[in-house]
Amino acid sequence: QKEVEQDPGPLSVPEGAIVSLNCTYSNSAFQYFMWYRQYSRKGPELLMYTYSSGNKEDGRFTAQVDKSSKYISLFIRDSQPSDSATYLCAFNGNNRLAFGKGNQVVVIP
Amino acid sequence: NAGVTQTPKFRVLKTGQSMTLLCAQDMNHEYMYWYRQDPGMGLRLIHYSVGEGTTAKGEVPDGYNVSRLKKQNFLLGLESAAPSQTSVYFCASSSPRYQQYFGPGTRLTVT
Repeated sequence: QKEVEQDPGPLSVPEGAIVSLNCTYSNSAFQYFMWYRQYSRKGPELLMYTYSSGNKEDGRFTAQVDKSSKYISLFIRDSQPSDSATYLCAFNGNNRLAFGKGNQVVVIP
Repeated sequence: NAGVTQTPKFRVLKTGQSMTLLCAQDMNHEYMYWYRQDPGMGLRLIHYSVGEGTTAKGEVPDGYNVSRLKKQNFLLGLESAAPSQTSVYFCASSSPRYQQYFGPGTRLTVT
């Protein structure tokens, strides 16, 4: 079983739609749950992080963690063309981060 | 603050050549990392350092060496480049551990 699973399939949505992304993980020792955003030809940047089960909101973004199911999600409301990027889930453990493969999101005006 | 910077931004090497990628950070972070990113493979950790003078192997260390002689710098070396090392290389630093700051990347092509 892979430590982190993230379906890398590209996702195209019309402007204003809700974007839903998710990852599963297998390592129970993970304590921090993160989402990074990576624009084309740029380095990843931290978008959101949390360390507890439940929801965390930041503007149009909501991060959801379900530790019992080992499942995390990212929701983007009222998506904008500027949200077009690759989104990577990440989990901490042993002085390093374990990353998902990333989801490419395209928001069509 | 410049954050994390990487030198060079682009490089083309021939098989067997060597080179060093330089990463510098001005945030006084203890931890530094080198990743490679390939299509369909995501970010994979090559080597990392938890402090000046220390290094450790990551997920894909073969063919690479690193050094952390100064806290602000982390060097990645390729002694004998191979086409399989064609990739985009990212350096990152962190403190606390969970929030890593990434550099802009180095695009390396080995022919």
